Formats: sequence, structure tokens, C-alpha cells
Amino acid sequence: DAGVTQSPTHLIKTRGQQVTLRCSPKSGHDTVSWYQQALGQGPQFIFQYYEEEERQRGNFPDRFSGHQFPNYSSELNVNALLLGDSALYLCASSLGDREYQPQHFGDGTRLSIL
Amino acid sequence: RKEVEQDPGPFNVPEGATVAFNCTYSNSASQSFFWYRQDCRKEPKLLMSVYSSGNEDGRFTAQLNRASQYISLLIRDSKLSDSATYLCVVNLNPIAAGNKLTFGGGTRVLVKP
Repeated sequence: DAGVTQSPTHLIKTRGQQVTLRCSPKSGHDTVSWYQQALGQGPQFIFQYYEEEERQRGNFPDRFSGHQFPNYSSELNVNALLLGDSALYLCASSLGDREYQPQHFGDGTRLSIL
Repeated sequence: RKEVEQDPGPFNVPEGATVAFNCTYSNSASQSFFWYRQDCRKEPKLLMSVYSSGNEDGRFTAQLNRASQYISLLIRDSKLSDSATYLCVVNLNPIAAGNKLTFGGGTRVLVKP
């Protein structure tokens, strides 16, 4: 049973660049959520995709955008990278978008901005 | 006030002892609660959902106190492998469609021989 997979594992970018992170949900899941986790803090919700639409969004600027494909996989795009964007980016999947469904996380992509 | 608050710890626990810690949440309408475990530089992993009646999974017991708006996690007979950061997770937006989880900052537990 394939779990949540994310790519790449690590990424180094410079300020002003753009980055795309990818996520494949756990087998059978159709909802993907993205989180940003800075060092020493809990994950912060970025947005959630269900039925190829952004259903909810956290307090992140428009530089953060995403997409969900028909096979339920998802991408997170960040434009005009800032030093403060350095973090672990986590993808989580669940079945449906109901609040009682627990989410399962991938290993994350560690993004470093120089 | 943060939406979900946890004591960051660390809680230094002798092996075999019991440790318990709480998490408070701000929105009284919250419906869904979870405890996740996160090891250093790893992804969060679901430990258990928290139900209104409280629930137990082996050495772990979770409880919900709606009146005081907190959830708790108790670990009995602590093992060295229990050393981790425990994340309290709440769904603060049950009315609108969606499953947006809000995480606390985590409570660090260190079990020592």
C-alpha cells in the first residue's frame, strides 16, 4: 500500500527563484493538503485541494499556489522565493474533505533558500 | 492567543514512568482532534484520534475536555522509543467544507534510561 510520496527530498534555491514541489497521495485518498513547517514549530496549513479545486487556504500570500491533477496528485508552487520560505514542506492526504478524516503525511521536501 | 497551544517541554521522563500533557484550543466549535507524533527531521505520524468519550490505544490514553477546551495525552510505562515531539492537532473549521488542520507547536518528550 503506497503511502504519501513527495519529491524532491531536498532542494536548494536562491532568493527570487521559483520552485515546484510534488506530491502523490496515499492509495485510495483523493484530498491533498500542504503544510509549511519551520524549524522548531508545528506545521502551518497552506491550502487543501479536493476535486481539483482549492477548497481551503491558510494565511499564505499569493506567491504560494497549487494544483491538483485528475489522478489526485498535487503540486505546490512558490514564486519569488524569500529567505523566510526555508522550511520543511509537508503534503498530507486523506479520503474526502471532511474534518474527521485523519490525514497522512509524506516525508516532506526540505527547501533551503540561500 | 494561539489557536492551539502546547507546553513545548521538554518533559524528561524516566523509562517506565508515566507522563501526561495537555493542549488547549481556542474555538469551542471544534469537532475533531488528533495527536500526531513527530520524530526529529521526520514527518508527523498519526498517533490517535481523540473522541469525546476518551480513548485508549495500548499505553496511550487520550481525553477530551470540551468544557475547558483541552485535550490530553497520557503515556504509561514510557519506552525509550517514545522520545519524540507530540503534536496536538485540531480541526477549527468544522462548519465550512474542508479539513484544515491546525497544529500546536508540539510537546517534546525525552525518555531516559
